[in-house]
Amino acid sequence: SQQGEEDPQALSIQEGENATMNCSYKTSINNLQWYRQNSGRGLVHLILIRSNEREKHSGRLRVTLDTSKKSSSLLITASRAADTASYFCATDGWGGAQKLVFGQGTRLTINP
Amino acid sequence: DSGVTQTPKHLITATGQRVTLRCSPRSGDLSVYWYQQSLDQGLQFLIQYYNGEERAKGNILERFSAQQFPDLHSELNLSSLELGDSALYFCASSLHWDPAYGYTFGSGTRLTVV
Repeated sequence: SQQGEEDPQALSIQEGENATMNCSYKTSINNLQWYRQNSGRGLVHLILIRSNEREKHSGRLRVTLDTSKKSSSLLITASRAADTASYFCATDGWGGAQKLVFGQGTRLTINP
Repeated sequence: DSGVTQTPKHLITATGQRVTLRCSPRSGDLSVYWYQQSLDQGLQFLIQYYNGEERAKGNILERFSAQQFPDLHSELNLSSLELGDSALYFCASSLHWDPAYGYTFGSGTRLTVV
């Protein structure tokens, strides 16, 4: 089973609006990462947030982490058509195994 | 170009056959990971190698095997293929075995079993 679960499964917004995606996980983690995948392509690392951090920014991306609720959110501000992709959260530390476990992803569509 | 090279990009083969997928990690990376992505199962971790040694194993079927060679490239062997093995197979690499370093993914091999 997946460690992370993204919500919503699909999101469609107008260009210029903000997009928020959420991720919940089940066990304690060392860090949480977000990746983007354009259709049929490889995943691209976006941002990493460590368990002792609450918020992190990178360009138009803002990630928050609430370890008490075991949840994270990814905010993309001023969305562009090029942001259309699937977004995955990934966690480590699950069961002590040193690998990333990915959620099912959120499919984001930006309408022009 | 991510620096992780996967070949071939597409593969169509019949049930019962055997195929080999190849991955060259980004220069300097010692860790290689294999993932399977299908519509119903999402991204499933298969196996990890670090500097030639198997480091972690996921839900990899007994029909599947992998290895990492001294030059750090890796191969994933899939045998006795079934229709359900049709999926995108990704290789990722990282500098260290610790996932905190983040992964760099290749563009994947799309396997179709007919």
